[in-house]
Formats: sequence, structure tokens, C-alpha cells
Amino acid sequence: AQTVTQSQPEMSVQEAETVTLSCTYDTSENNYYLFWYKQPPSRQMILVIRQEAYKQQNATENRFSVNFQKAAKSFSLKISDSQLGDTAMYFCAFTYTGGFKTIFGAGTRLFVKA
Amino acid sequence: GAVVSQHPSWVICKSGTSVKIECRSLDFQATTMFWYRQFPKQSLMLMATSNEGSKATYEQGVEKDKFLINHASLTLSTLTVTSAHPEDSSFYICSAGRQRGPSYEQYFGPGTRLTVT
Repeated sequence: AQTVTQSQPEMSVQEAETVTLSCTYDTSENNYYLFWYKQPPSRQMILVIRQEAYKQQNATENRFSVNFQKAAKSFSLKISDSQLGDTAMYFCAFTYTGGFKTIFGAGTRLFVKA
Repeated sequence: GAVVSQHPSWVICKSGTSVKIECRSLDFQATTMFWYRQFPKQSLMLMATSNEGSKATYEQGVEKDKFLINHASLTLSTLTVTSAHPEDSSFYICSAGRQRGPSYEQYFGPGTRLTVT
């Protein structure tokens, strides 16, 4: 069975600095998708960034980038130039191509301090 | 991106009654939708996969007779919590996904807060 592990329950970062959230997963699948979602207090899930497992190049979306290490089954999220609006719960998620079920990690609560 | 709506956003019901939650994909057809449950300060737990025109697939430990799922059309899935009890109080989130070329996108509804008194 697939599992997703986020080992940092809570993190804080100063505004404008950089922070990295870690995520590891376990799967025997070769084709899958990885995601980072943000959940603000409104509880609406917001896609931050996605990575297709077949792509070697790390995904980047503006201030957000990932370090995808397929062999190590690691998928960390780097947030550069942190903003107060980045304060939220962040979930790492794994979706496998057979049925597209998504498994979420426990989440990391990020606080951006002014 | 695509939009998924949920209705109602908040519902309070009495113990023993049933509650229906609707999930709609507004601008695309979804053959598969997913239902999640989220307790306060916890992660999303997949409850079931809703398949259009066929029976839902439930995750281990989820009571199919308590959480009835119907996916009657390509844009609508419903979750009915039957004979609700206080322990069913939770935040329920649906999602719909679609494949776009080699990529896959999943869109989440805004969630429904259920309180059973």
C-alpha cells in the first residue's frame, strides 16, 4: 500500500525567507503523480505544485519548487520569499495512475512570521 | 482551473436522521469522484471512490451502509450519511479529477461541515 509521510508537523519561517517542507512516500508503482496542496483556514484545498513521476526535471511554480528524488522516494517543497499569505496547512499527496486514488500525508502547518 | 461545488457548506442535523451532501463538477465531466473526511487538524482520509453508473468503491473501514454514495451523472455525486450520530460530525470534502494529456488534475470542492447533535 502507498503511504505518504510528512515528518514536520509544524514549521515557521520569517517573511521573505526560504523554507523547505519534507515529504517521503512509499510505493511499488512506477507511474504516479505527486502534489503539494495548501489548505488555508477556509479549508479549501489549493494546488500548489504537481510533479509527474516520469519527469526527471523538478517542477517549479513561481516561488514554489520541488526537489523530486524518485529513487529515494522523496518530494520536498521549497517556498522562496515566504509571504504572510503562505501561512496554511500543506499536504503532500500521492496519486497513482491505476484508479487515481490520492493518499495524503499528515500535513505540515506552516507559519510565516512578519 | 475547473470548479467543483459542494452543497450544503454547513449542515446541522439531529442524531438518527440522514443527511445528503452533493458534489458537482461545474465545467467538466467526471467519471470518477472521490469523497474524503477530515477531522480537525488532521489530514484528508479517503472514504470512497464514486464511479458514474456503477457502485462506489469504499476504503477499508468505511461502512458502505452508513455512507451511501450515488454517482448518477457525469457531473453529480452524492454522499448520504444515514442514521447520523455525533461521531459522524466531521468535514467532508469531495473531489473530481481528470487527465489532461500526460498530466492529471484533481479539483476539490469547498467542503461540507456536518454537525450531528
